[in-house]
Amino acid sequence: GDSVTQMEGPVTLSEEAFLTINCTYTATGYPSLFWYVQYPGEGLQLLLKATKADDKGSNKGFEATYRKETTSFHLEKGSVQVSDSAVYFCALSRSNTGKLIFGQGTTLQVKP
Amino acid sequence: DTGVSQDPRHKITKRGQNVTFRCDPISEHNRLYWYRQTLGQGPEFLTYFQNEAQLEKSRLLSDRFSAERPKGSFSTLEIQRTEQGDSAMYLCASSSFRSRQGEYGYTFGSGTRLTVV
Repeated sequence: GDSVTQMEGPVTLSEEAFLTINCTYTATGYPSLFWYVQYPGEGLQLLLKATKADDKGSNKGFEATYRKETTSFHLEKGSVQVSDSAVYFCALSRSNTGKLIFGQGTTLQVKP
Repeated sequence: DTGVSQDPRHKITKRGQNVTFRCDPISEHNRLYWYRQTLGQGPEFLTYFQNEAQLEKSRLLSDRFSAERPKGSFSTLEIQRTEQGDSAMYLCASSSFRSRQGEYGYTFGSGTRLTVV
């Protein structure tokens, strides 16, 4: 069945460092891919998405490119801030059901 | 629109008791989803409704779990004879069937945290 695998955390970075969180998926066909973020004490929020191969999703300085050949959707940001500290979830979905399949989450801690 | 509302926010119950959670979706959304999230893990799909019809149930949803969405509006998730392993955050989300996944995306509620003691 479909599945998503993320790099294990926690990831600890200094402010203004470059961030990469790896995400790979297993699925037949062409699912949509997402990154969700969960800030401490808050609910899940959609960060960015990509719906077809080679699409690049971007938001708030974060980017991820849908790579069909490597079945990956790695999250990147050029310069992280303390306010980016959160748990990040990679997910996939099929348009027919809309249900989301999540990775296990990666905790990011950014220190001043 | 106030988004997706879940009630209660927290529930502590004794093992063996029954509990019921409520989710009020965004009014124009006709799909409603339930997920369960345990500590340190991503949310896991439980079930979803399109209007009042329950279209899919995960194998995670044992016979102690039941979900309803009468009249296609709010939904309830009931857990009978709770066990300590049921302790988790239960998340509800809604989406519009007419919109492609991702254009509107999901809207998640803040969740109900269940603790079984």
